[in-house]
Formats: sequence, C-alpha cells, structure tokens
Amino acid sequence: EVQLVESGGGLVQPGGSLRLSCAASGFTFSSYWMHWVRQAPGKGLVWVSRINSDGSSTSYADSVKGRFTISRDNAKNTLYLQMNSLRAEDTAVYYCARVRRVDFDYWGQGTLVTVSS
Amino acid sequence: NFMLTQPHSVSESPGKTVTISCTRSSGSIASNYVQWYQQRPGSSPTTVIYEDNQRPSGVPDRFSGSIDSSSNSASLTISGLKTEDEADYYCQSYDSSNHGGVFGGGTKLTVL
Repeated sequence: EVQLVESGGGLVQPGGSLRLSCAASGFTFSSYWMHWVRQAPGKGLVWVSRINSDGSSTSYADSVKGRFTISRDNAKNTLYLQMNSLRAEDTAVYYCARVRRVDFDYWGQGTLVTVSS
Repeated sequence: NFMLTQPHSVSESPGKTVTISCTRSSGSIASNYVQWYQQRPGSSPTTVIYEDNQRPSGVPDRFSGSIDSSSNSASLTISGLKTEDEADYYCQSYDSSNHGGVFGGGTKLTVL
C-alpha cells in the first residue's frame, strides 16, 4: 500500500525556519517525481515545489523561491522541504504528493505549519 | 506563467448534472493535460479525472472531463448527482517551463 506521511510542522516565529519530511513507503520512491502543495486555512491548493526522481532537477513557486529548498534521500525514501525566512503567509497545511504521469495520484495527510509571533 | 480560473461555487439538486469550468489565462488549454481533484472537508485531495478525460479506477463513470480549445477551458461534468459528491473540486495543469504545477482556485459544489 502506498503511503506518504508528512512530519515536521508546527508553530514558528516570523523569520524562522522549519524542515518538513515526507516518509514514503509501498512503492519504489526513487522512480517518482515528488511535489509539495500547500493549503492555507480555508483556502485553495497552491503548488509549492517539485523534484525529479534522482534529485537533480527542482523548481519552485515564485512565492517561495530563494527561501524554500526541496530535496530527497532515495536511500531513506524521504522527501524534504527546508523552509527559511518564514512569513505569516506561509501558514498552511503542507502536503507531499507523488506524480504518476501528470497527476498527483497519492497525497499525504498533510502537516500544519503556523507562522506567528 | 498562466492561471486557471474556476467558479467559486456551484449548486445543484440530487440526480441532476453539473459542469464546473476551468479557464486557462494564456497558452493553449490543449498544450498540457488537465487533472481534476476532489477534496472533502478534512481530507487530502483525490484524483477524479486525469489527462483531460481519464478516470482512475474506482471513480464512477458519472464523472467525466473534457477540454474546449475555442474557450480555452476544461470542464468537469458530474451527472446523477449524489449528496456524497458535495466537496471542493480543483483543476490542475502543468507549466512546461519548469514542470511546476498550476491549480485553479477551487469550486465548492453543493448538492441540495
């Protein structure tokens, strides 16, 4: 069974840092591109970042470029999102998602990041 | 970069048919596949349509997708509405320049 389990969310002050993890199981993690998608409370889905299967290529939404870094450890079947210089508008549930061909076919349950003083 | 625009909300009665639109702001709607996701409150999204008009296994054939190049838009049609279809629906496509995702703002479907 495919499982994606996010962790690492929590309360952080503006300007602070947080690292999210997404533990994958039930499939060959190293074969799939992975994405982070976030959802602010009561708002819609927003794409954040993606990484290719071997980690050699990444891209970011303009809103997080230069502040967030996506990475992966295929030996540990884990996806990461390092978030620096956090702002109040980064407050959201962060989902990791697997890409099958073009669709996000599996999503984690999400981890809540709250940026507040 | 482009945007995908959806109506904020739609409502219809059980047993009826509803169509949700998703309009691409620039570039051709046909240049990148469109997906549709259903999200119920408190749950993660699930795919109901991928590659414009394909249904994942387990999704009933009451759900169908299409694209229309003349209006540069994609549509999700749900027929024989059931109360369980009440949810938020999001369209999604890709930005070829960076293989990044683009989501529509979401449409709240009310079945009343």
